[in-house]
Amino acid sequence: DAMVIQNPRYQVTQFGKPVTLSCSQTLNHNVMYWYQQKSSQAPKLLFHYYDKDFNNEADTPDNFQSRRPNTSFCFLDIRSPGLGDAAMYLCATSRTGYEQYFGPGTRLTVT
Amino acid sequence: KQEVTQIPAALSVPEGENLVLNCSFTDSAIYNLQWFRQDPGKGLTSLLLIQSSQREQTSGRLNASLDKSSGRSTLYIAASQPGDSATYLCAVINNNNDMRFGAGTRLTVKP
Repeated sequence: DAMVIQNPRYQVTQFGKPVTLSCSQTLNHNVMYWYQQKSSQAPKLLFHYYDKDFNNEADTPDNFQSRRPNTSFCFLDIRSPGLGDAAMYLCATSRTGYEQYFGPGTRLTVT
Repeated sequence: KQEVTQIPAALSVPEGENLVLNCSFTDSAIYNLQWFRQDPGKGLTSLLLIQSSQREQTSGRLNASLDKSSGRSTLYIAASQPGDSATYLCAVINNNNDMRFGAGTRLTVKP
């Protein structure tokens, strides 16, 4: 059974057109993370939620926003996607201090 | 800021060989360390988690060690198989819940 689900798996958007990526979990974990991974690079942490507390990385562009309406769901909003935002976006969850579980990722293409 | 380095960046071995992947990190005040496997275009699969108080963890043909004081971890793969071909990522979790990844080692096991 899938534990961390990301939708859609593939997303194509136009330059400047807002897009939302979705992540849900069945693990009841209190921490949720969003990462950006570009080809042949390490995943880069964008932000994470510790319960309802939002923690933004200092170098995450303002173009990226996140929402966590409840424990199970977390959304990544890209307000005005640029060509440089094309990447794989990975969602992960964990209980504090324990291992992280990753979803399959959403591959974003910007045309 | 925590930095994680993995050496080598790529490794090619014949089937059946034992091999070691290396990971180093600059800040030893970590909460735990996790090794992942990533197949091309896919999400991350957790292999092993080592808590900061532990020295090693084993799962099947995999053994991961941690020397926190020197900022090093190794992943040992015994009797490698072509199905082990993937990118292996090391990640450290700091006490503030954020996770930092190395760039990975791309492993190819030749039949």
